Amino acid sequence: SQQGEEDPQALSIQEGENATMNCSYKTSINNLQWYRQNSGRGLVHLILIRSNEREKHSGRLRVTLDTSKKSSSLLITASRAADTASYFCATDRAGGTSYGKLTFGQGTILTVHP
Amino acid sequence: EPEVTQTPSHQVTQMGQEVILRCVPISNHLYFYWYRQILGQKVEFLVSFYNNEISEKSEIFDDQFSVERPDGSNFTLKIRSTKLEDSAMYFCAMGGMNTEAFFGQGTRLTVV
Repeated sequence: SQQGEEDPQALSIQEGENATMNCSYKTSINNLQWYRQNSGRGLVHLILIRSNEREKHSGRLRVTLDTSKKSSSLLITASRAADTASYFCATDRAGGTSYGKLTFGQGTILTVHP
Repeated sequence: EPEVTQTPSHQVTQMGQEVILRCVPISNHLYFYWYRQILGQKVEFLVSFYNNEISEKSEIFDDQFSVERPDGSNFTLKIRSTKLEDSAMYFCAMGGMNTEAFFGQGTRLTVV
């Protein structure tokens, strides 16, 4: 089984709608981070939420973390066509041998139709 | 967002050749990482580097791979004898203890 699994694998919505992506993980974490990747491009850091935090906001992004369920969600409100990308969650495991090592999920492909 | 610069952006090499991928890190970051992403797959951890030595490496990071920071600035990943299955996007990243990791734009390596 994998650390950091997102669902859905693909999400298709209309511009203006909200998009919700979920991430589950299996081990204790220091933090969980969300990244965005446009097709074939680099990873852009979106938001980090630490294990002692439950919710964070950044612009149109809202991230929640439930450590009892080992899950996180990323909500993008009022989506735009430019939000079309792959979104990945990545966990920084607690107790690891190297600081900041991230384990990525498979990602959610978001398509926002104009 | 701080910028991590990787060169080259794309490299094509013949099987069996050596390649060196370069990364110019952000100043004041102490932890360096290499990750790779095979087309259509998830991002995988290769190696972490701290205080001029490897702190952790994955099963992927076998004897064909090496990392160094030769001049105290650039951070390099060397693949000694490339194989077809080494074709992937390689990302370097800077991070630290319980903090954001910043990724470069990646080097797309194509082994033919």
